[in-house]
This record gives sequence, C-alpha cells and structure tokens, in this order.
Amino acid sequence: GENVEQHLSTLSVQEGDSAVIKCTYSDSASNYFPWYKQELGKGPQLIIDIRSNVGEKKDQRIAVTLNKTAKHFSLHITETQPEDSAVYFCAATPGGTSYGKLTFGQGTILTVHP
Amino acid sequence: NAGVTQTPKFQVLKTGQSMTLQCAQDMNHEYMSWYRQDPGMGLRLIHYSVGAGITDQGEVPNGYNVSRSTTEDFPLRLLSAAPSQTSVYFCASSYSGAEAFFGQGTRLTVV
Repeated sequence: GENVEQHLSTLSVQEGDSAVIKCTYSDSASNYFPWYKQELGKGPQLIIDIRSNVGEKKDQRIAVTLNKTAKHFSLHITETQPEDSAVYFCAATPGGTSYGKLTFGQGTILTVHP
Repeated sequence: NAGVTQTPKFQVLKTGQSMTLQCAQDMNHEYMSWYRQDPGMGLRLIHYSVGAGITDQGEVPNGYNVSRSTTEDFPLRLLSAAPSQTSVYFCASSYSGAEAFFGQGTRLTVV
C-alpha cells in the first residue's frame, strides 16, 4: 500500500518568513495530494490540494508543488503569520477503487514566532 | 449546514466494554471514513465507505465494525474496548473521494 513520509516533525520560523514542508510518497498510482491544517482540539481542515496532472497550484499565500518523477510534493507558505501556527499534514490517495482512501504523513508542527 | 457531526466529544471506557461512535453528515456526501489519530503517527484509516451499503477496511480495522445503512450516518463500533484503542477518532466525508471534510473528533480513553 501507499506510504507517505513527512520529513520534518517541527518547523520554527519568524513572522514574515517562508515555510516549506516536504512529503514523499511510495505509490506511483497516487494521483491526489491534499494538505490539511489542524489547530489544537479541532479536526483537520483542507487548505490546498493538487492532482497528478498539475505541477503547481497556488492560493494566496500558500502553494503546493508536485514532482511525480521523484514522488514528492511540498507545501509552501509565504509571509507567515502567527495564525499559521498549527500542525500540517500531507496525504495521498491512489486512483481506481482505492480513490478516497487517504494515507497521511506524520504531521509537522509549524510555529511562527512574532 | 452542520457539516460532519461526531458524538460524543469525550468518552472513557473500561476494558472490555463496547460502544458506538456516531458520525453524521448533512452534505449528501457518498464517501465517508473513520480515522484514528495517535501522537507521531498522523491519521490512520480504520474503515471506509463509498455509499450506503458499501464498506471497506482501511489500514487498522481490527477491533472495529462499521455499517452504512443511510447516506448520512456512518457509526463506528468498538466491540470490546482495549487500552490500545485509546486515541482521537475522526470521521470524514467527501463528495468525490477527494476533498474530505472532517468532524471535530472524539477523544476516547480506555482504562
């Protein structure tokens, strides 16, 4: 089955800096890659996603890039703000009959210092 | 629109007890799933459903049962609780299997 590795368990940045979190995946059949933000005591919330037919997607201060050849994808947050502090999870799901079965990375705790 | 509603929010069980975690969604989503979240391990899929009457196992299904008799509801049953099932449980739903909406979670402690 799919295995998703999220290499940074913690990341600290100063307000205004950029933050990058990278994930690698193992199943070349995976074709959908979402990123979730989880605040304390809440459920994960989808912040951006990308499909395998696209290399990059942006939404205001956040972007996701995908390298299918190397099987990795990354979350980029620019001009970080203290409210960006949270746990970020990457995930992947294969196509076909397994579509929708998300495999998550271990999570990265992002701390943005004012 | 309430989204995905999970009940209860907190629960303490004794080893060997059974219980049902409730999950309901009002978005008419076909896909629903249950995950457990443990420290340092992300979220792991327990069971999954692509529509009423259809369920499938995820990565960690042992000790849990599910059924999907309606589109709205997807309850998770613990048959005989064990301390290893102490975790935070999240239910999620999605329209197409892609963008998933999560509930607020149920924090379960088994003593």
